[in-house]
Amino acid sequence: NAGVMQNPRHLVRRRGQEARLRCSPVKGHSHVYWYRQLPEEGLKFMVYLQKENIIDESGMPKERFSAEFPKEGPSILRIQQVVRGDSAAYFCASSPPFGDTQYFGPGTRLTVL
Amino acid sequence: AQKITQTQPGMFVQEKEAVTLDCTYDTSDQSYGLFWYKQPSSGEMIFLIYQGSYDEQNATEGRYSLNFQKARKSANLVISASQLGDSAMYFCAMREVNAGGTSYGKLTFGQGTILTVHP
Repeated sequence: NAGVMQNPRHLVRRRGQEARLRCSPVKGHSHVYWYRQLPEEGLKFMVYLQKENIIDESGMPKERFSAEFPKEGPSILRIQQVVRGDSAAYFCASSPPFGDTQYFGPGTRLTVL
Repeated sequence: AQKITQTQPGMFVQEKEAVTLDCTYDTSDQSYGLFWYKQPSSGEMIFLIYQGSYDEQNATEGRYSLNFQKARKSANLVISASQLGDSAMYFCAMREVNAGGTSYGKLTFGQGTILTVHP
């Protein structure tokens, strides 16, 4: 009974490169959320997706960041032309269609050199 | 806008004692959910306990209980019989619930409290 899977767990990129973070939700969960945690801070909401739809992207930076949750396959958070300020832990969470609780993956630690 | 405040940056407790971690919230929504998550040094986020705004009873899950005082807008986490493995960062979070009682979406997190359990 697998929980939320995220890969890679650690990702190192140089400034200007692209980062792709993957999230496979709990089987049967159709809602996916992405959060970012900067050092010494709490988690900040980025985007909420259902299969093939972006429901709420109010926390996403306007440029360079995009997210998708295709009909088949994992959810992807994509950061283009990364900068040092993008260094953070990125968490994915999932919930069932009518569930109350979001279950988190282990996170991806992105380091931008 | 929703806001969560955790005023205790750090707390210390002796093993086997109880400890209360404070959380206050601000929302204009009538329906909402309150959560506590634990983040150990390994970094993952572990769900601990949930309280719905219309739940009359305080939520309990094993050694965890949520002291929900709606009028004061507080949702303190009580950990009984602390264990060394309880040492971690603890986050309080809130999510609005729509009129149909189904989940809406994003969680708003507090800044967290670092709990250290001494032997």
